[in-house]
Amino acid sequence: GQQVMQIPQYQHVQEGEDFTTYCNSSTTLSNIQWYKQRPGGHPVFLIQLVKSGEVKKQKRLTFQFGEAKKNSSLHITATQTTDVGTYFCAVGVSGYSTLTFGKGTMLLVSP
Amino acid sequence: DTAVSQTPKYLVTQMGNDKSIKCEQNLGHDTMYWYKQDSKKFLKIMFSYNNKELIINETVPNRFSPKSPDKAHLNLHINSLELGDSAVYFCASSPSPDTQYFGPGTRLTVL
Repeated sequence: GQQVMQIPQYQHVQEGEDFTTYCNSSTTLSNIQWYKQRPGGHPVFLIQLVKSGEVKKQKRLTFQFGEAKKNSSLHITATQTTDVGTYFCAVGVSGYSTLTFGKGTMLLVSP
Repeated sequence: DTAVSQTPKYLVTQMGNDKSIKCEQNLGHDTMYWYKQDSKKFLKIMFSYNNKELIINETVPNRFSPKSPDKAHLNLHINSLELGDSAVYFCASSPSPDTQYFGPGTRLTVL
């Protein structure tokens, strides 16, 4: 099955610091999605990237899809305590009908 | 309005028992899924149904049996529960093999 590696597994930052999580695949992806799961909650869709080199922004969040469509990153500028949670990437491969989720990056933000 | 709902939210039971988790979506989506999230937060797909038909059945013990009476419902029945079945089970739906809309989850604890 499709393998996707997500790093880091865990990151603890001070409020106001930046945060980045990375998702890497050995195969070319048709698309990549990012989800956020708050503690005790369920994964919530954030964004989908489809095009090579695509960059999308949502307020303090910046999402990038690599030129080769094998990797992606999620960057949060000036983290806030509300950013706490686990961020998952989920990848789709052309011809397959499901997503494979990365293991997630747990973000803890101290005030 | 609840988009994807699951019942029960919590389920505590003894080893060897049989239990069911129900899922309903009112989004009109054709595809529904069951995921298992273990204590390390790893999200693993178990089953996928499209218009009441099973399309994905990952390596899951046959003690787990999904049932889809109609395309808005996907229930999960588990026979002979084991300690290792303890996890959070998420139902999700999707309008296509892409964005997943997750239910609130069912936390299963097997004693």
